[in-house]
Amino acid sequence: NAGVTQTPKFQVLKTGQSMTLQCAQDMNHEYMSWYRQDPGMGLRLIHYSVGAGITDQGEVPNGYNVSRSTTEDFPLRLLSAAPSQTSVYFCASSSLPGSLGEQPQHFGDGTRLSIL
Amino acid sequence: QQQVKQSPQSLIVQKGGISIINCAYENTAFDYFPWYQQFPGKGPALLIAIRPDVSEKKEGRFTISFNKSAKQFSLHIMDSQPGDSATYFCAASNTQAGTALIFGKGTTLSVSS
Repeated sequence: NAGVTQTPKFQVLKTGQSMTLQCAQDMNHEYMSWYRQDPGMGLRLIHYSVGAGITDQGEVPNGYNVSRSTTEDFPLRLLSAAPSQTSVYFCASSSLPGSLGEQPQHFGDGTRLSIL
Repeated sequence: QQQVKQSPQSLIVQKGGISIINCAYENTAFDYFPWYQQFPGKGPALLIAIRPDVSEKKEGRFTISFNKSAKQFSLHIMDSQPGDSATYFCAASNTQAGTALIFGKGTTLSVSS
């Protein structure tokens, strides 16, 4: 199994450009989420989804859109890139909480995005 | 309002020593408390997790201590090794409500040989 696959691994954009970060998982997980990681800020939740057709906002959703048309894919769209969106973006997936309430997240290796 | 507060921001420990990282949370509805380990250039990976019905969980050299009344939990790494050098994140979620994980800001651990 590939686990969680993120593409591209690196990207440089100009201010105002739009782009889509791809995330795919092959574990049939219901939960998928997007985080951004900035120095000293930890991992901050952007958007998440509990299943196909269902999405919700996290802590820092502004400037980003998501959709979940299939269980496997959860793309993140930057509508009009700004320098403040320079960050490392991580996609994660997990199954629904088990009988023990555990919810181990599986992370991709990230997309490093620079916006000039 | 930061829901999960983690300290220290960075930590240097000698090989063989004990590394201790602390976290505190606000939301009493949180019922799942994992720790994640992240190496440079990689995504975080689950290290160990605990639920609030137990006060301690041990897996090898890694132990979580949990204090429900104080709303605090900590990670102890015994006999720390250079290979443990990484960034560690605590996190919390309300699995009954199906919320996503909320992470602390992370601790960068360096184990010197």
